[in-house]
Amino acid sequence: DAGITQSPRHKVTETGTPVTLRCHQTENHRYMYWYRQDPGHGLRLIHYSYGVKDTDKGEVSDGYSVSRSKTEDFLLTLESATSSQTSVYFCAIKRVQGTGYTFGSGTRLTVV
Amino acid sequence: GQQLNQSPQSMFIQEGEDVSMNCTSSSIFNTWLWYKQDPGEGPVLLIALYKAGELTSNGRLTAQFGITRKDSFLNISASIPSDVGIYFCAGLGGSSNTGKLIFGQGTTLQVKP
Repeated sequence: DAGITQSPRHKVTETGTPVTLRCHQTENHRYMYWYRQDPGHGLRLIHYSYGVKDTDKGEVSDGYSVSRSKTEDFLLTLESATSSQTSVYFCAIKRVQGTGYTFGSGTRLTVV
Repeated sequence: GQQLNQSPQSMFIQEGEDVSMNCTSSSIFNTWLWYKQDPGEGPVLLIALYKAGELTSNGRLTAQFGITRKDSFLNISASIPSDVGIYFCAGLGGSSNTGKLIFGQGTTLQVKP
């Protein structure tokens, strides 16, 4: 869908383990974003990227890091997963100025 | 930071009824967007609004960009079962010029056939 693939789609992991989520796009867009979705909070921005090796923090970046070594891939890493990071994670790209973002299908992460 | 307050939080309506939801902010935005999310999927853009006062329709959906640039509403007319989902408002740009999309908390819509 719209050239964005998130992997894995579902993951269960143990507290304290590192986890990496991948977002892959096929359309060469410059801007990519990671959001988390939780009931009652809508979607909140974790980190975003405005080019290869160019990233910045969003409103809920604590406990997360990102990397973008090539245009098509944007990785989100939980260095040491906690139960509060149980959530659905969405990747998004910005296509055209002012028209909002296009989202991937999400990764459901459960930390036990 | 910027916040969007979306209401109502949830709605349970009868098929055929009209639906209205709105979003307000303490900050101004240059663009208002409305998304719909189906279960197990990412949000999909329904309507984009670019000018204060703008009224835009997409089939049975109508949305307006408030004149103060701090609010927007979405109406759905003659609801059908496939309208079920979570609807999000989102704001872009504006006074803080963050260039990042800010989302409301979402309105969960359920339609009874």
